[in-house]
Amino acid sequence: SQQGEEDPQALSIQEGENATMNCSYKTSINNLQWYRQNSGRGLVHLILIRSNEREKHSGRLRVTLDTSKKSSSLLITASRAADTASYFCATDAGETSGSRLTFGEGTQLTVNP
Amino acid sequence: DVKVTQSSRYLVKRTGEKVFLECVQDMDHENMFWYRQDPGLGLRLIYFSYDVKMKEKGDIPEGYSVSREKKERFSLILESASTNQTSMYLCASSLPWWGREGNQPQHFGDGTRLSIL
Repeated sequence: SQQGEEDPQALSIQEGENATMNCSYKTSINNLQWYRQNSGRGLVHLILIRSNEREKHSGRLRVTLDTSKKSSSLLITASRAADTASYFCATDAGETSGSRLTFGEGTQLTVNP
Repeated sequence: DVKVTQSSRYLVKRTGEKVFLECVQDMDHENMFWYRQDPGLGLRLIYFSYDVKMKEKGDIPEGYSVSREKKERFSLILESASTNQTSMYLCASSLPWWGREGNQPQHFGDGTRLSIL
């Protein structure tokens, strides 16, 4: 099963509302990363949170990490139609230089104007 | 800004053909990755490389090979294309693994949508 699993699979909100997406994982991690993907494009890195951090902000994005519950959440405040995209969490659980990120299946966010 | 360029946005090939997907990055990144993305299956890692001429199998390497002769270029090869390899292929690059800090953010190209007929 996926190391990172996003919830919900799909979310539809109105412009101006906040959007919250969750990610759960199974093993201990070095860091957790959130990415965004517009339709038909590649992924774009949004934010990285380390295992010893609990919260991080970047503009309208707020990410929290609870290592005791093995979960993270991404909050987008005051959403805009341009925020419509798929959002993925990716976990880094490796201990060697050959380790890599494991991506979840994503949350499809639709922001209606 | 990091730029990862994939040679084609759309590609149509026939069953049995040998297919080359090219990826070039301009930020001197050590790590490069090839993924495929399918509906309901998310991103799956095919191969990755953490140095020139080095390669590691990902989760689904069967039917694929890779080449990394120069640091900036990572090629994915479908030895004999089959219809089940129709997919979106994404290339990414990153700085090297950073000890306890873990893996660094990956920078993605815009993908190649490959159709095998």
